[in-house]
Amino acid sequence: GQSLEQPSEVTAVEGAIVQINCTYQTSGFYGLSWYQQHDGGAPTFLSYNALDGLEETGRFSSFLSRSDSYGYLLLQELQMKDSASYFCAVREWMDSSYKLIFGSGTRLLVRP
Amino acid sequence: NAGVMQNPRHLVRRRGQEARLRCSPMKGHSHVYWYRQLPEEGLKFMVYLQKENIIDESGMPKERFSAEFPKEGPSILRIQQVVRGDSAAYFCASSLQRDNHEQYFGPGTRLTVT
Repeated sequence: GQSLEQPSEVTAVEGAIVQINCTYQTSGFYGLSWYQQHDGGAPTFLSYNALDGLEETGRFSSFLSRSDSYGYLLLQELQMKDSASYFCAVREWMDSSYKLIFGSGTRLLVRP
Repeated sequence: NAGVMQNPRHLVRRRGQEARLRCSPMKGHSHVYWYRQLPEEGLKFMVYLQKENIIDESGMPKERFSAEFPKEGPSILRIQQVVRGDSAAYFCASSLQRDNHEQYFGPGTRLTVT
């Protein structure tokens, strides 16, 4: 079966840097995505890594190591509006189609 | 460009009633995915549809749940004879290409079964 693990909660100070880790166990792995979800809101796509290495998009970066079944989301220059839940999701080939398998999410609280 | 639209945003049903959840994908997108989310949990894949076809329904409960995406009109997730355990947020997402990792989510329908 598949499993994804990420911390349930992280707290950081405005202006700081925070890293949210994700480890996964799955077969048919094709890539790792990250989504942000504010309370009561819809998940929004942040990034996708299919290959090892770092992908940077503004203040957010995402890293993947396929050999370690590990990735992380790095948020820099934290702002209050970054307080939200962050989900890693494995893109997996299963049952004749690609699927996104989501982790349980990391709740990020940014304090002033 | 209108995003993914879902309605209703909130739906209350008594046990045994039927729930119909609607999803209109982004303009130009013909691939639709339905997910269920329980409080404090991640999204669980339910079904993937393309116009008039169910591509993958491996995440759908075998009974009471069905989904369609007709040639004209929105995709519909239908839950018959709802039970309290069906209470959850149901999100629809759409993508431009088949099996695309970048999915655009709607605001969700929060179903409460009393």
